[in-house]
Amino acid sequence: DIQMTQSPSSLSASVGDRVTITCRASQSINIYLNWYQQRPGKAPNLLIFASSNLQSGVPSRFSGSGSGTDFTLTISNLQPEDFATYYCQQSYRPTITFGPGTRVEFK
Amino acid sequence: QITLKESGPTLLKPTQTLTLTCTFSGFSLTTAGVGVGWIRQPPGEALEWLALIYWNDDERYIPSLESRLTITKDTSKNQVVLTMSNMAPEDSATYYCARTMRGFDHWGQGALVTVSS
Repeated sequence: DIQMTQSPSSLSASVGDRVTITCRASQSINIYLNWYQQRPGKAPNLLIFASSNLQSGVPSRFSGSGSGTDFTLTISNLQPEDFATYYCQQSYRPTITFGPGTRVEFK
Repeated sequence: QITLKESGPTLLKPTQTLTLTCTFSGFSLTTAGVGVGWIRQPPGEALEWLALIYWNDDERYIPSLESRLTITKDTSKNQVVLTMSNMAPEDSATYYCARTMRGFDHWGQGALVTVSS
């Protein structure tokens, strides 16, 4: 099984900050890495697919990069609605794994 | 407009079997590349992928729970059904169904399932 780790597990930031979240896979997954945002009490929302592709309707302040085992989600100019939990997810078949999540909190 | 909605029991007793139905609209599970998956989330915990069925009947399961899970589809009804046997209190969670093409791009609202005697 492919295991996913995320760092940090939580972070405190302010509106306008640039935030970077890292996701690492236990083996190479090429670019089969997606990122989700989840607000409390809501279903997750796809932000980035295939490592760096912005999902339709997602603000351009969200960006992703990486390949192989190491990936990054960057939020530039953090907005109030961005305080949420972020999950990476690998889709390198045959199975799927989510990371443990990174909680972005208000400083 | 794509929508998905989970339905099923909210309360189960230990050892019972959970049957959840995902009813969707706005897409077809006969379209190449499309799949519908199930993901759960215990209260305050992370997301855990459980199972996925593709347009071509390919089925995938989380290895640790594979013996307890079955996923099926009924394309005529636009439904995907997940069964999970031998439920235990630690299986209490919100269960989501979601469409996948390039990532899980559309999700249901989730169904809270509690397992308690």
